[in-house]
Amino acid sequence: EAGVTQFPSHSVIEKGQTVTLRCDPISGHDNLYWYRRVMGKEIKFLLHFVKESKQDESGMPNNRFLAERTGGTYSTLKVQPAELEDSGVYFCASSQVRDRGGEQFFGPGTRLTVL
Amino acid sequence: GDSVTQMEGPVTLSEEAFLTINCTYTATGYPSLFWYVQYPGEGLQLLLKATKADDKGSNKGFEATYRKETTSFHLEKGSVQVSDSAVYFCALRGSNYKLTFGKGTLLTVNP
Repeated sequence: EAGVTQFPSHSVIEKGQTVTLRCDPISGHDNLYWYRRVMGKEIKFLLHFVKESKQDESGMPNNRFLAERTGGTYSTLKVQPAELEDSGVYFCASSQVRDRGGEQFFGPGTRLTVL
Repeated sequence: GDSVTQMEGPVTLSEEAFLTINCTYTATGYPSLFWYVQYPGEGLQLLLKATKADDKGSNKGFEATYRKETTSFHLEKGSVQVSDSAVYFCALRGSNYKLTFGKGTLLTVNP
C-alpha cells in the first residue's frame, strides 16, 4: 500500500511568488493534516481536514496560506505571496480514525526555500 | 496550551552505547505520547507510543514509559547501532487530534 506522498520534494522560489504544495494521503484516510517545521524549531500543526471539510485551521499563520481538499482526496497548500519566513519543511499526514491513540502517517515533506 | 520539551542535541554516541533522550510535557487531561523518528531523506515514522499512565511503548529495541507523576516520556535504548542515526521527535496528542512536537534531537552513532 502506498504511503503519504508529497510533491514537490523541494521548491525554491523568490519572495512574492506563489507556490502550491500537494499531498496525497493514504487511500481511504478521511483525516488529513498539514504541519510545518521552520529551521531549528518545533514541527507545528497548521490545519486538519476531515474529508473535504476543514475541521481546524487554527495553526494557519495568516491569510497568505490557503489549503484545499477538493473531493476529500488529495490536498493542496498554496502560499501567495511567499515571504522569507515561510521557508521550512511542510509535512502532510493522514489517519483513518480520530481516536486519541490513532496513528498519523507522515509524508516525506516538501522543503520550501523562499529567497 | 500543550507543549513538549525534549533534550536538544546533537547527541553523538559510539555503537553499542546506551541512549537516553529526555522528554517532558505539559498538557491538560491525559494525552497520548509518541516518539517519531526521521531517518535521512525520509518522512516521519512512528517509533512507539503510549496512551495512558505507566504504559510502556517499545519498538526496535527502543522503549519509553509514560510517567504521569513526572510528566515525562524519556526514550531509551540499551545498545545503539549506526542505523539508529536519525532525528527523534517527542510528541503528544491531547484532547483533540493534532500532534504537539518537541524540537527534535539529532542522534549520530559512530562505528
